Amino acid sequence: SQQGEEDPQALSIQEGENATMNCSYKTSINNLQWYRQNSGRGLVHLILIRSNEREKHSGRLRVTLDTSKKSSSLLITASRAADTASYFCATDTGRRALTFGSGTRLQVQP
Amino acid sequence: DTEVTQTPKHLVMGMTNKKSLKCEQHMGHRAMYWYKQKAKKPPELMFVYSYEKLSINESVPSRFSPECPNSSLLNLHLHALQPEDSALYLCASSQGPYNSPLHFGNGTRLTVT
Repeated sequence: SQQGEEDPQALSIQEGENATMNCSYKTSINNLQWYRQNSGRGLVHLILIRSNEREKHSGRLRVTLDTSKKSSSLLITASRAADTASYFCATDTGRRALTFGSGTRLQVQP
Repeated sequence: DTEVTQTPKHLVMGMTNKKSLKCEQHMGHRAMYWYKQKAKKPPELMFVYSYEKLSINESVPSRFSPECPNSSLLNLHLHALQPEDSALYLCASSQGPYNSPLHFGNGTRLTVT
């Protein structure tokens, strides 16, 4: 069963613009992770944010976590055509394997 | 390039066939996973092996049979599958179960005819 829901389901932007994806989840977590999946490939881990952290940066990625609202957001700044992929949040409750959200399909137009 | 290797990349099988999917990692990870992913959907957990023992089976039909011969290898044996089992089957590994990022292979695209 899915723990997280993501919105938007699909997002189309121009190169250079910022892309923001949101993830909501239902139960308490130890950490939340974001993954990227290029078409027909495996998922690649992008960033992990722990439940006691509010914000984390990695290169052009910025992740926020609001445990009171059970939500997270992923911001990709200055997007590139190569950022075109599906992005999934995944919640770690410490009691079972990761559960993935429904995903956001990002299209970056050159 | 991924550090988790899955073979074959593509597989077409009939409903009466028996086939196996293979997964290998050499990162010293002690947890390995099988996920199933349908088009435009998130991966769904099937099985988890922790220290070579099956720790989670997400009520997967018995026509899917996992095997972990050693800490580096994970197999998924397939028998009498249905067309609705067609999907991308992803293997993943992590340092330990339940608390660390997953490293995924590129998957096996399975088509059941």
